[in-house]
Amino acid sequence: NAGVTQTPKFQVLKTGQSMTLQCAQDMNHNSMYWYRQDPGMGLRLIYYSASEGTTDKGEVPNGYNVSRLNKREFSLRLESAAPSQTSVYFCASSGGLKTQYFGPGTRLLVL
Amino acid sequence: GQQLNQSPQSMFIQEGEDVSMNCTSSSIFNTWLWYKQDPGEGPVLLIALYKAGELTSNGRLTAQFGITRKDSFLNISASIPSDVGIYFCAGQLSSGTYKYIFGTGTRLKVLA
Repeated sequence: NAGVTQTPKFQVLKTGQSMTLQCAQDMNHNSMYWYRQDPGMGLRLIYYSASEGTTDKGEVPNGYNVSRLNKREFSLRLESAAPSQTSVYFCASSGGLKTQYFGPGTRLLVL
Repeated sequence: GQQLNQSPQSMFIQEGEDVSMNCTSSSIFNTWLWYKQDPGEGPVLLIALYKAGELTSNGRLTAQFGITRKDSFLNISASIPSDVGIYFCAGQLSSGTYKYIFGTGTRLKVLA
């Protein structure tokens, strides 16, 4: 099993550009999450999807949108990237045992 | 919002020593998770705890769910160089939310 996969691994954007971060899981998990991680800080929740068809805001949702495309896939979109969105983005999924599994991350630099 | 206080922030230890770290909060949690993150990688789940007082081991790692449900502890025995990394705690609130709150991490460095 691949677990949680994320694409791309690295991305450089100019201010104002848009992009979508892709995430997929093959563990048949109901819940999926997007976090950002900044130096010296823990993981902060951007958006989550408790189940297919639902999405909810987390701690830092401003500037982002999400789509739960199906049970496997959960994408994160930056409509107009800003330098403050330079970060490492992690997708995670969670199943019935409440344990949460993470992808390898996407490193985003906004110039 | 809710916060998890994780300590220590960083620690340098000699190979073979035991390590202890903890997370505390003013909120009650119904699940505690402990993760390790290596540079350039995503966090990897080490131990999951589901009820107050639970003590669970994974090799040289032992974690405990505090009796008050507001804290958790992770111990690493006989540390080795590959234990280097950042350790995070995460708690799921007892209010039934699907959200997890993460600590700010403990950076561990092991001196050979």
